[in-house]
Amino acid sequence: SQTIHQWPATLVQPVGSPLSLECTVEGTSNPNLYWYRQAAGRGLQLLFYSVGIGQISSEVPQNLSASRPQDRQFILSSKKLLLSDSGFYLCAWAEQGEAFFGQGTRLTVV
Amino acid sequence: DAKTTQPPSMDCAEGRAANLPCNHSTISGNEYVYWYRQIHSQGPQYIIHGLKNNETNEMASLIITEDRKSSTLILPHATLRDTAVYYCIVRVSTGTASKLTFGTGTRLQVTL
Repeated sequence: SQTIHQWPATLVQPVGSPLSLECTVEGTSNPNLYWYRQAAGRGLQLLFYSVGIGQISSEVPQNLSASRPQDRQFILSSKKLLLSDSGFYLCAWAEQGEAFFGQGTRLTVV
Repeated sequence: DAKTTQPPSMDCAEGRAANLPCNHSTISGNEYVYWYRQIHSQGPQYIIHGLKNNETNEMASLIITEDRKSSTLILPHATLRDTAVYYCIVRVSTGTASKLTFGTGTRLQVTL
């Protein structure tokens, strides 16, 4: 069966520090992969999606970047975090339309 | 992917049916209607999807209008654990589906 791993579950980082969130998928190949951010009390904002290795589409101009170095690995990064980067980050994969989500990373930038 | 419109919030008494509407007037012929829900601080969970026929599974029923411009998710006997944000999205189900965009959803509060 397919599973999706996302870590860490919570993270507190100072302003100006770098960020690396990793997401890996098991049990499937060539999935569509997604990164979302959810601010407190808000909906899911699509940040990046990828249809294959090295293929990244950015939805919103921002302080973040994404990479897909392997078929089942999707990484969200920042060189210097801002206070506004705080939020709940979710990774997802989709195949044949249905999407499966990780448990999320709650990032607090202080 | 077509845009969807949902009411921001709804209340439902425990044991009653919860009927959650969604408008998707610009839906294309090859786009499916998907429903997800997100319980606080968790990732969204798939509920059900359909193309044009009504669908039912162990969690819910999905009623799609004949013109496919709107749909209703029905939780037949809501419980307190069904309190969540419910998202309706429309997208293609086959091929290289790319963007997966969520709206703001409906916050369902189930009360005693």
